Amino acid sequence: QVQLVHSGAEVKKPGASVKVSCKAFGYTFTGYYVHWVRQAPGQGLEWMGWINPNSGDTNYAQKFQGRFTMTRDTSISTAYMELSSLRSDDTGVYYCARVPCLTTNCSPENWFDPWGQGTLVTVSS
Amino acid sequence: EIVLTQSPATLSLSPGERATLSCGAGQSLRRHFLAWYQQKPGLAPRLLIYDVSSRATGIPDRFSGSGSGTDFTLTISRLEPEDFAVYYCQQYDSSPLTFGGGTKVEIK
Repeated sequence: QVQLVHSGAEVKKPGASVKVSCKAFGYTFTGYYVHWVRQAPGQGLEWMGWINPNSGDTNYAQKFQGRFTMTRDTSISTAYMELSSLRSDDTGVYYCARVPCLTTNCSPENWFDPWGQGTLVTVSS
Repeated sequence: EIVLTQSPATLSLSPGERATLSCGAGQSLRRHFLAWYQQKPGLAPRLLIYDVSSRATGIPDRFSGSGSGTDFTLTISRLEPEDFAVYYCQQYDSSPLTFGGGTKVEIK
């Protein structure tokens, strides 16, 4: 069964950094782009960027360029997102999500299925 | 950036009724790359529809998508109790990927 499993909830102080992991199960991790999406409390969904787990190539939404970094560790089929210089408005649930087709034959810009369960990041002094 | 506007923000209906949700794009989706997701409280979004009208695996046929250009619709033919949730549209026609603000379907 294809599944993405997130690391646990985090509480951070303003100015700190947070690193969230997303571990893939049930498929070849390096074969499919992984995206990150944020959801502030009670708000909608905001696309952050994608990573090609095979090559490590990334594409960031303009809003997140500079503070946001996506990486991966292919040996443990895990994608990571790190957000630095945290502010209170970074509070929210961070989701990873996979595109439905192989990196070799589809665009990274695609629909998402499945999604991880999400990681709640709370930024508070 | 393609802005997606969903309407209405909230839809109050009874089980068994038909739900019609709209998603308007700020510019034409020339490649017809639009998806719909359902989200329940505390859970991740779930893919319902991709490429405007293709149902995802395991999605009941009471869910259907339609539209073209800048106007898209998700229809739920007869609402079941488990369908009361928030629905989002997403375009992947061009980067950056964007989502609509969501429509909440609530029990009347």
